[in-house]
Amino acid sequence: AQSVSQHNHHVILSEAASLELGCNYSYGGTVNLFWYVQYPGQHLQLLLKYFSGDPLVKGIKGFEAEFIKSKFSFNLRKPSVQWSDTAEYFCAVSRAVNYGGATNKLIFGTGTLLAVQP
Amino acid sequence: GAGVSQSPSNKVTEKGKDVELRCDPISGHTALYWYRQRLGQGLEFLIYFQGNSAPDKSGLPSDRFSAERTGESVSTLTIQRTQQEDSAVYLCASSQGLAGGYADTQYFGPGTRLTVL
Repeated sequence: AQSVSQHNHHVILSEAASLELGCNYSYGGTVNLFWYVQYPGQHLQLLLKYFSGDPLVKGIKGFEAEFIKSKFSFNLRKPSVQWSDTAEYFCAVSRAVNYGGATNKLIFGTGTLLAVQP
Repeated sequence: GAGVSQSPSNKVTEKGKDVELRCDPISGHTALYWYRQRLGQGLEFLIYFQGNSAPDKSGLPSDRFSAERTGESVSTLTIQRTQQEDSAVYLCASSQGLAGGYADTQYFGPGTRLTVL
């Protein structure tokens, strides 16, 4: 069965520090990979996604993630965080299927709560 | 355009009562998903609709849970005889339902926070 591990449950950083959040998944086939973010009081929003092609993907607000297939990883990075990045971050994976009717259900990690101190 | 909407935003109920949660997907999205997020845990998949049919119900935790979708639009998640362990945020997501699901992105609603006393 698919599973997603986020190694950091709670991260505290000062503004301008660099960020890297780990995400590893277990699944032997082709996958789609996502990072979602939930800002305080708001609903889940897509931060970035990987389907195919360049393994380094860029998302909104200066975030990027790198898919390393050999390590089953999709770590999220940002070179310099801001106070407004305080949020909970979720890594998710779905099977990349190519037949109709198949579920694309997302398997989520347990989330990483990021607190950025001004 | 309008995003995914859910109602109610909050629901408090007594153990043993039935509840209905509603989801309005983004217009034109044929795929609809329900997830549940219990305190301190990640989101867990409940059910997937493609159009009005549900090819994957594998995440429904018990036969007290059911869902339907009509008109390839609105979906209702029903929990019968609620238990305290049903307390969670129930999230709905929709996607275009691209052929085979490839490159399909899910967009989430704000959720319904269910509290069972």
